[in-house]
Amino acid sequence: DIVVTQSPLSLPVTPGEPAAISCRSSQSLLHRNGHNYLDWYVQKPGQSPQLLIYFGSNRASGVPDRFSGSGSGTDFTLKISRVEAEDVGVYYCMQALQTPQGLTFGGGTKVEIK
Amino acid sequence: EVQLVESGGGLVQPGGSLRLSCAGSGFTFSGYWMSWVRRAPGKGLEWVANINQDGSKKYHVDSVKGRFTISRDNAKNSLYLQMNSLRAEDTAFYYCARSRVAFDYLSPGQFDYWGQGSLVTVSS
Repeated sequence: DIVVTQSPLSLPVTPGEPAAISCRSSQSLLHRNGHNYLDWYVQKPGQSPQLLIYFGSNRASGVPDRFSGSGSGTDFTLKISRVEAEDVGVYYCMQALQTPQGLTFGGGTKVEIK
Repeated sequence: EVQLVESGGGLVQPGGSLRLSCAGSGFTFSGYWMSWVRRAPGKGLEWVANINQDGSKKYHVDSVKGRFTISRDNAKNSLYLQMNSLRAEDTAFYYCARSRVAFDYLSPGQFDYWGQGSLVTVSS
C-alpha cells in the first residue's frame, strides 16, 4: 500500500506571511507519462473539500496564484506565498495513482491564523 | 453548472444497511471517473471507493471491502454506494466527487467537483 505522510499536523500562520506544508509518499508517484500523481485539497470549515493542485504543481481552475505546488517522486510541498484569513482550513495531499488499494489521502494539516 | 447531489444518509443500527446516491448534472456523467470520499468526526479525509467511466473497474479501500459496493447508472447520471454490515467506525460525512478530465482513463483523482455531503450515523 502507498502511505502518504503530511507535516506539520498544525500550522499557525500570520496573515501576509508565507506557509509551507510537506507531503511524503512511501512510493514514487511519478508515472512513466511524466506526471506526478499528487493532488492537494483544502477543506474549509463548513464546506466540501476543493481541489487546489493536481499533477503535483498544476493549479486548478480558479485557485489564486499565491498557492503553488512543487516536488517529484516521493516528496512534495504546498506553499502559500502570503496567507490570507480565508485560507484557514485543513489541507490534504492525496496520492492519485490507481492501485488495487486505491487512492490515499495524507493525514491533513490544519492551517489557522495566529 | 456542474452539480453533485448526495442523498440516502441517515441513522442506522450497527449491522444495518444504507444506500447512498449521488445525482450528477451539468456535465456528461458517463465520461468521468467518480469517487466516494468520507470524513469521520474529528478525523481526516478518507478515500472510500471509485469507479471508472463505464463501470468496468471498481476499487474500494480495504476497510470496506466485502461490505460496501460502488456502482453507477450512466443512463440516470447517478452514482451509488451500497453499504452493508455497517459499523460505528463508518459514521462520517460521505461525499461523491468527480475527477477533473473527461475520458481520461489514467487520472482517477483530481476531484474538481464535490457534493455537499451526506451524513451516515451508525449507532444503536
